[in-house]
Amino acid sequence: KAGVTQTPRYLIKTRGQQVTLSCSPISGHRSVSWYQQTPGQGLQFLFEYFSETQRNKGNFPGRFSGRQFSNSRSEMNVSTLELGDSALYLCASSFDMSGYTFGSGTRLTVV
Amino acid sequence: GIQVEQSPPDLILQEGANSTLRCNFSDSVNNLQWFHQNPWGQLINLFYIPSGTKQNGRLSATTVATERYSLLYISSSQTTDSGVYFCAFHSTGTASKLTFGTGTRLQVTL
Repeated sequence: KAGVTQTPRYLIKTRGQQVTLSCSPISGHRSVSWYQQTPGQGLQFLFEYFSETQRNKGNFPGRFSGRQFSNSRSEMNVSTLELGDSALYLCASSFDMSGYTFGSGTRLTVV
Repeated sequence: GIQVEQSPPDLILQEGANSTLRCNFSDSVNNLQWFHQNPWGQLINLFYIPSGTKQNGRLSATTVATERYSLLYISSSQTTDSGVYFCAFHSTGTASKLTFGTGTRLQVTL
């Protein structure tokens, strides 16, 4: 079966711009979660969506938002980009808590 | 919050060597898992190991929940084992959020 698909793979944006990242989960998985990975902070939880509802949110500013559609695809948006938002953004889908499948990530560079 | 410490932080092995990676946590955790992040950044789920021992080929994992640690064993290491190994868990009450350890960076050389 197809894995988790994240688009785009690479992105370069300018400070102050906004960006939208997309994640298509494995078919049948209703939970999609997002993580930010930076060299300084490691892997940090952003938010998790289940059946179009945000179930949990990490400690990030309101510039970071997300949503999930009825087909379980999810998007995350970062507005007013800052240099510190440069990171690898990973999306994971799961059917239950025992198995997470991650996408290949979107590497965002803010210049 | 729960403190999680992975050791060692860095490890260099020659191909064929064995290694043990450790994950210590400061309080009870749920649903402990091990991941491997390859050099291209993708995280691969290796084990779901809330307790006990599991084996998958050259890899095995043991979690002793009562003593708050988990071990990942890699035997007969290969260059493709290189990357970063993370343990991750759910804290009580935050079942939908994975908290990751700081990772062990493994380099396997010829």
